[in-house]
Amino acid sequence: QSALTQPASVSGSPGQSITISCTGTRSDVGGYNFVSWYQQHPGKAPKLMIYDVSNRPSGVSNRFSGSKSGNTASLTISGLQAEDEADYYCSSYTSSSPYVFGTGTKVTVL
Amino acid sequence: QITLKESGPTLVKPTQTLTLTCTLSGFSLSTTGVGVGWIRQPPGKALEWVALVYWDDDKRYSPSLKSRLTITRDTSRNQVVLTMSNMDPVDTATYYCVHSHGSYDFDYWGQGTLVTISS
Repeated sequence: QSALTQPASVSGSPGQSITISCTGTRSDVGGYNFVSWYQQHPGKAPKLMIYDVSNRPSGVSNRFSGSKSGNTASLTISGLQAEDEADYYCSSYTSSSPYVFGTGTKVTVL
Repeated sequence: QITLKESGPTLVKPTQTLTLTCTLSGFSLSTTGVGVGWIRQPPGKALEWVALVYWDDDKRYSPSLKSRLTITRDTSRNQVVLTMSNMDPVDTATYYCVHSHGSYDFDYWGQGTLVTISS
């Protein structure tokens, strides 16, 4: 099972919106609505930000939103803030694994 | 309050077997829908899902690691144990214990434990 493909880095200025993509196949992202997103600050454990493509757990800011089109899922951060600078990982249920993670994206706030 | 805490050796020699224990608090692994598993992260690299055991003792393993893994649950002690055989330096990573409930995501994570494989 190959890792899902994410851009290595994405950057934006405070207040802007950025979008991180997560590309898989019909066997994972495209075949199921079970995509989740995690935020990881340096030296810390990951934190669940989005589950089931577009749902936010209680306590997660509504500046974070998720969507999916075909084999690609996306995480959008609106109103970018300094505290959003972190690594972000997508994950999907797969027919074979049953879980696969993305390659990770480093978000930089300029 | 749900918490998970990993414990185990910090240094393991190549070819040896690693045993990690996750102690659960604030929930029961007997509750329908609950799963507890392991995810690892080599230094500076991406997350990799390793294994998961469900409330009904169904077990799932990463296909690439399956031959080396065993995951077990002890509901009386509220613990989950992962064993990984034939350790190699490429297995050096932070190993996280994770909780899942009713969906295909991991909503609670332990703090992680760094395991180094070196002679």
